[in-house]
Amino acid sequence: SYELTQPPSVSVSPGQTARITCSGDALPKQYAYWYQQKPGQAPVLVIYKDSERPSGIPERFSGSSSGTTVTLTISGVQAEDEADYYCQSADSRATYGVFGGGTKLTVL
Amino acid sequence: EVQLVQSGAEVKKPGESLKISCKGSGYSFTTYWIGWVRQMPGKGLEWMGIIYPGDSDTRYSPSFQGQVTISADKSISTAYLQWSSLKASDTAMYYCARRDLSNYYMDVWGKGTTVTVSS
Repeated sequence: SYELTQPPSVSVSPGQTARITCSGDALPKQYAYWYQQKPGQAPVLVIYKDSERPSGIPERFSGSSSGTTVTLTISGVQAEDEADYYCQSADSRATYGVFGGGTKLTVL
Repeated sequence: EVQLVQSGAEVKKPGESLKISCKGSGYSFTTYWIGWVRQMPGKGLEWMGIIYPGDSDTRYSPSFQGQVTISADKSISTAYLQWSSLKASDTAMYYCARRDLSNYYMDVWGKGTTVTVSS
């Protein structure tokens, strides 16, 4: 079945820029979405349709897409951004959804 | 307020059956898909399947096809996830979430139901 690939971990210092990638063959055809999950909490949508930001999500969160890779960028990372981040999309025919394996963002 | 309220934690034995629930409120339950997501202890999110309560159209991830059953009762705005014979490997947190009308993202999530399967 279809898979999305993320790096297991990313580390940045406060104030720096964090970039988390997600790769998948169907990403040129299907939008990608990003979720933030903190320990003991349900996931929260932070980016939809590759680069749109839901209301209430800080402007430092942005998304982009290029070919088979999408990227979540967090500019001016804050300690509160430390969390697991998951990309999500659908297979090429939009029959079912799939999550990437998740990336643990550590704020040093 | 749009919300999804999930049923409480469950502790079951291998081989037992189980049905957990997810009740929607604050929106038109029949016009949004409801999805189920598994998170095993210390692991990532896994997309299991979705149902459209309006007509019960159901789609499963290939990984979960035949392993679980997703259903809905639109008269009480509730979706369900059920197992006929639990295994220890079904031990996980299960989230329900509302899927956007036109796209595949989940915009509203329940708090999750913990399922523990142990002899």
